[in-house]
Parts: sequence; C-alpha cells; structure tokens
Amino acid sequence: DAGVIQSPRHEVTEMGQEVTLRCKPISGHNSLFWYRQTMMRGLELLIYFNNNVPIDDSGMPEDRFSAKMPNASFSTLKIQPSEPRDSAVYFCASRFTGGENGYTFGSGTRLTVV
Amino acid sequence: DAKTTQPTSMDCAEGRAANLPCNHSTISGNEYVYWYRQIHSQGPQYIIHGLKNNETNEMASLIITEDRKSSTLILPHATLRDTAVYYCIVRVAQNYGQNFVFGPGTRLSVLP
Repeated sequence: DAGVIQSPRHEVTEMGQEVTLRCKPISGHNSLFWYRQTMMRGLELLIYFNNNVPIDDSGMPEDRFSAKMPNASFSTLKIQPSEPRDSAVYFCASRFTGGENGYTFGSGTRLTVV
Repeated sequence: DAKTTQPTSMDCAEGRAANLPCNHSTISGNEYVYWYRQIHSQGPQYIIHGLKNNETNEMASLIITEDRKSSTLILPHATLRDTAVYYCIVRVAQNYGQNFVFGPGTRLSVLP
C-alpha cells in the first residue's frame, strides 16, 4: 500500500496564478479530507468528501478555493487566483468510515505564493 | 465531539518513558480516544486509539481512566525521533458526518 499520495510536494507560484493540488487516497477508503496547516492557525479542515460527494465545505476560506473528487481514486484542490496568504502546507487524508480506524495523511504540498 | 485539553509542551530524556496526558471530561459513551503525532514537515501519523480498555501496539500504549475523562499516551522508551507534536482527539468512530478536529497538541521534545 503506497499510502495517500499528494502532488506536487512543493509549489512556488506568483500571486494571481491558478494552483492545483492533487491527491490519491488509499484504495478502499471512502472518505477524503483536505487540511491546511499554518503556524498561526494550526491544522484546519477545508473540505471533506464521503463516497466522492462533498459533505462539508464550511472550512473553505472563500470562493477562490474549490475542490473536486471525480472518482474514488482522485481529488483536486484548486486555488484561483492565488494570494500570498494562501501560503501553507496542504494535507490530504483518507479513511474508511465503516470502521474505527483513523485517518491516513499524505506527505503534504508546501505552497508558497510570492 | 468532546473537547480535549493537553499540556502545551513536555520534555523527556532519551530512553525514558514519555507520558503524555489528555483531559476529555465531556467525552460521550460512544466516543473513542485517538492519538496522532506530527513530526516536523510531515503529515500527521496515526498512533493508537481506544474506547474503554487500555490498548498497546508497536508504537505506544494508551491508558484510559475508568471514568474515561482522561487518558495517557505512553511511549515506553522515547528516542530522539519521537520528538513531535502529539494530538489527542475524541470522536465517534463511525460518524459519517463529522471529522477529526486537531487542537494545538503537546510538543514533546526528547532530549539526549
């Protein structure tokens, strides 16, 4: 099992550009979560999906952020246009909601917007 | 989900047991206690979870008080690589509508 796979690991972009972060959850997991981590705010949940359907997107900062999960093995988080305050580490996590087990996190994408 | 309270930081000597406390006085009967840790620059890593009974795995032991209002994560022989932020989370295990809420956690420093 390769775990939760995120790409890219690092992204540096200019303000105003579109950024797309990608996540491949663990096969068989039916829930997927996007988190953002900054020094000031810690780990914040942005959105999560259950069986590919968005359940709660109340953590998405504003309309510049959007997330999709077209199938059980792929999700994207898009920021358009990006701003310097979006600089953070973005984590994707997945789990199987039918059991007790917790989340498995990916290694994260470190986004820097200059 | 019940809220948790953890100390901000702790130190532990290498090779000694690290005991990390967590208070969850408002925990409900169907809520589990989960522990995660985050080593610098990595994603959070699952450690262990439990409902009522004490649990042990290859990474750690979890001791839950009889009234379930607090718990302790024990790393029996801490190494420098155990330096990390440790998060205690309580929530219903099979709750499709809720997620894990990470507080500030405890920053554990294992000292040589």
